[in-house]
Amino acid sequence: KNEVEQSPQNLTAQEGEFITINCSYSVGISALHWLQQHPGGGIVSLFMLSSGKKKHGRLIATINIQEKHSSLHITASHPRDSAVYICAAPTYTGNQFYFGTGTSLTVIP
Amino acid sequence: DVKVTQSSRYLVKRTGEKVFLECVQDMDHENMFWYRQDPGLGLRLIYFSYDVKMKEKGDIPEGYSVSREKKERFSLILESASTNQTSMYLCASSFGSLGYQETQYFGPGTRLLVL
Repeated sequence: KNEVEQSPQNLTAQEGEFITINCSYSVGISALHWLQQHPGGGIVSLFMLSSGKKKHGRLIATINIQEKHSSLHITASHPRDSAVYICAAPTYTGNQFYFGTGTSLTVIP
Repeated sequence: DVKVTQSSRYLVKRTGEKVFLECVQDMDHENMFWYRQDPGLGLRLIYFSYDVKMKEKGDIPEGYSVSREKKERFSLILESASTNQTSMYLCASSFGSLGYQETQYFGPGTRLLVL
């Protein structure tokens, strides 16, 4: 059983659509990360959040620590948003992460 | 900006060869990590290091070893490459004392093909 589960695994959307990616976790954590991986491999951190909501441009991340659930939303999606989105939960020490298997998003023009 | 570099973007090796993957970070980070990434399996931790000459096994250390002789450099070694080690290998680093607020910074990845 994975400590961190993501859904959906694959997502195709039309440009302009509102997109939601979900992440549920079974371990006790104090924060959750959302990562983005573009074709070619490099991974960048989008958000680290421990409560409530964070917004960066068209990306919004929310977390409910009690329900052990987080969502990543993309408003007005664009083809350049096409990437794999990964949620990751750090252990308390921060030395290791539990990773979801990723959601592959394709936005069609 | 933190920069994590990996020695190769693409690598083709033959079964039985010894393979070295090198990773260098320029932010004086304590922690460094090696992951492999396979379709449907996500990122899996091979080894990590929290200090020079210190290492700990991750989830899938079999067939791999690591070396950290200098703080900025973390090497992954495949002693005798096998076809099931064909994968994307990603290196990462993190500050090391921020607890749950740690952010990992990733290198661009090395796609290794073992024939």
